[in-house]
Amino acid sequence: QSALTQPASVSGSPGQSITISCTGTSSDVGSYNLVSWYQQHPGKAPKLMIYEGSKRPSGVSNRFSGSKSGNTASLTISGLQAEDEADYYCCSYAGSSSVVFGGGTKLTVL
Amino acid sequence: QVQLQESGPGLVKPSETLSLTCAVSGYSISSGYYWGWIRQPPGKGLEWIGSIYHSGSTYYNPSLKSRVTISVDTSKNQFSLKLSSVTAADTAVYYCARSPYYYGSGSYYIDYFDYWGQGTLVTVSS
Repeated sequence: QSALTQPASVSGSPGQSITISCTGTSSDVGSYNLVSWYQQHPGKAPKLMIYEGSKRPSGVSNRFSGSKSGNTASLTISGLQAEDEADYYCCSYAGSSSVVFGGGTKLTVL
Repeated sequence: QVQLQESGPGLVKPSETLSLTCAVSGYSISSGYYWGWIRQPPGKGLEWIGSIYHSGSTYYNPSLKSRVTISVDTSKNQFSLKLSSVTAADTAVYYCARSPYYYGSGSYYIDYFDYWGQGTLVTVSS
């Protein structure tokens, strides 16, 4: 069970859109539509942003969207705002009642 | 409002057992859901440690399975983590979290983590 692969960092200017990728295998991301995304600000607990690939919890801005193609899931943030600057983690069901996280991506809003 | 709160020693000696408890309020553990532990070493990413179903069935990260025990106490509405034979590599912020399940193809799957505790830092040092 290896960690899902995310870019270490991404950046964008206010108002722009960015996409964070999350690459797994046919044993996790590719086999299940159970990918979730979390936002984590420094010193805080992670916050659920997307679940089951593309669903948004109540209260999460519609600027956040998720998708999946093959073994890669993606999180897109449109209309970037300063408050979006944080670490983002993907997570997937990985079979045999286990879960695996990605290594995390640091988003910088320029 | 569902709330989770971790508690336990902030300092554990090498080779000893780390023990943490997660108290749940606003929801009865016995009513359902998976309840899990996730950790984050300083400056690093998240790692799933394991989860327990309200019935008591447990599921562990294969890389930690030999050292981990998760249990639930429905009478106190809390669940616990024990990690044995700790080393400095186990120094981390430990989070507890709730997971809804997904039911499909006749099976239950751990889905996502919707409610998290604030986290507690455990340092392994002599």
